[in-house]
Amino acid sequence: DAGITQSPRHKVTETGTPVTLRCHQTENHRYMYWYRQDPGHGLRLIHYSYGVKDTDKGEVSDGYSVSRSKTEDFLLTLESATSSQTSVYFCAISDPKTGSVYGYTFGSGTRLTVV
Amino acid sequence: ILNVEQSPQSLHVQEGDSTNFTCSFPSSNFYALHWYRWETAKSPEALFVMTLNGDEKKKGRISATLNTKEGYSYLYIKGSQPEDSATYLCALRTGTASKLTFGTGTRLQVTL
Repeated sequence: DAGITQSPRHKVTETGTPVTLRCHQTENHRYMYWYRQDPGHGLRLIHYSYGVKDTDKGEVSDGYSVSRSKTEDFLLTLESATSSQTSVYFCAISDPKTGSVYGYTFGSGTRLTVV
Repeated sequence: ILNVEQSPQSLHVQEGDSTNFTCSFPSSNFYALHWYRWETAKSPEALFVMTLNGDEKKKGRISATLNTKEGYSYLYIKGSQPEDSATYLCALRTGTASKLTFGTGTRLQVTL
């Protein structure tokens, strides 16, 4: 979707290295989310943000941190990558006014491989 | 952690067949139920957002119903076409920051 972009699209990294994934939106939506997608688990929430500098943990937050210094950017950092963090990561955005009608808009995903 | 369950896990139908899937969720603390369509190598796309008990939504050949009291939603596809092949996700919205808890999806394959 043109209003939300993720970078990089693909990344291979070594165990123990820090990795940062970026989510950028042009929709001025208040809420932003990071999910990971794994076979048999569907989409699981890692962290979310409900405003600039306001973030909270999701159900699988261990080993991850986030930052949101401005409305349009939500960064996900793997502090020390492990093989269990090999996954596809999706960013999503939502607006409190329109989200109840339109739901989330998802980015295209980042495929991360930790070797 | 909320438990959102979808069944069946996968489904293989022929073109022209009608089909339906189920999404089950705990009926307490209900805010909304979302349905998404997710094609391989693409991002999930929103189909429906349902909030009221008894809600029925329709988009073309796809429709959905909601029963919040008993905690389930059905998604129906009438006259399946190969382009309907995708994974269909349901998700329960809780109050805080519109967080969604997703089910694991129903993977539909429609063949000629």
